[in-house]
Amino acid sequence: GNSVTQMEGPVTLSEEAFLTINCTYTATGYPSLFWYVQYPGEGLQLLLKATKADDKGSNKGFEATYRKETTSFHLEKGSVQVSDSAVYFCALSADQAGTALIFGKGTTLSVSS
Amino acid sequence: GAGVSQSPRYKVAKRGQDVALRCDPISGHVSLFWYQQALGQGPEFLTYFQNEAQLDKSGLPSDRFFAERPEGSVSTLKIQRTQQEDSAVYLCASSLRDFRIYEQYFGPGTRLTVT
Repeated sequence: GNSVTQMEGPVTLSEEAFLTINCTYTATGYPSLFWYVQYPGEGLQLLLKATKADDKGSNKGFEATYRKETTSFHLEKGSVQVSDSAVYFCALSADQAGTALIFGKGTTLSVSS
Repeated sequence: GAGVSQSPRYKVAKRGQDVALRCDPISGHVSLFWYQQALGQGPEFLTYFQNEAQLDKSGLPSDRFFAERPEGSVSTLKIQRTQQEDSAVYLCASSLRDFRIYEQYFGPGTRLTVT
């Protein structure tokens, strides 16, 4: 079946450090891929998405590229800020079952100044 | 514009009580989803509506869980005879169209605690 695996956290970085959060997926067909973020005390919100192979999603300095050959969608940011501290979820939406999202377990990022 | 809203935000129920959780999706959104998020985990799919039709309820954990969206707008998730394992955050999301490229917009969730 379809599934998402993302790296375990927590990830602790200093401000301005480079961030990578790994995400790999298993899916039939051609899923869409998403990164959602959950800031402390807030709801889930979409950070970026990619809907076909080789697409790059980007937002707020974050980027992720849909790599079909490695079934990956790693999240990167060149210089993190304290305000990026949050829980990050990788998710996919397949062409089945009403396009329900399948989420990874989440990675907690903590950035200190 | 208004986002997805959910009520109540917090609910404490004694084991065995019935609860009803409400979701108001973004106006005009065709698809509506319910997810359950246990502490420290990612959300897990419960059920899905396209307008008023419940097209998939494969994620509902037991027959104590029931969802409806009678007029294709507001949805209610009902849990009968609550158990401690039902304690979780229940998330509602809506999407403009029923296709994988469309973003799902999430509500703030209802945190259910069963004592």
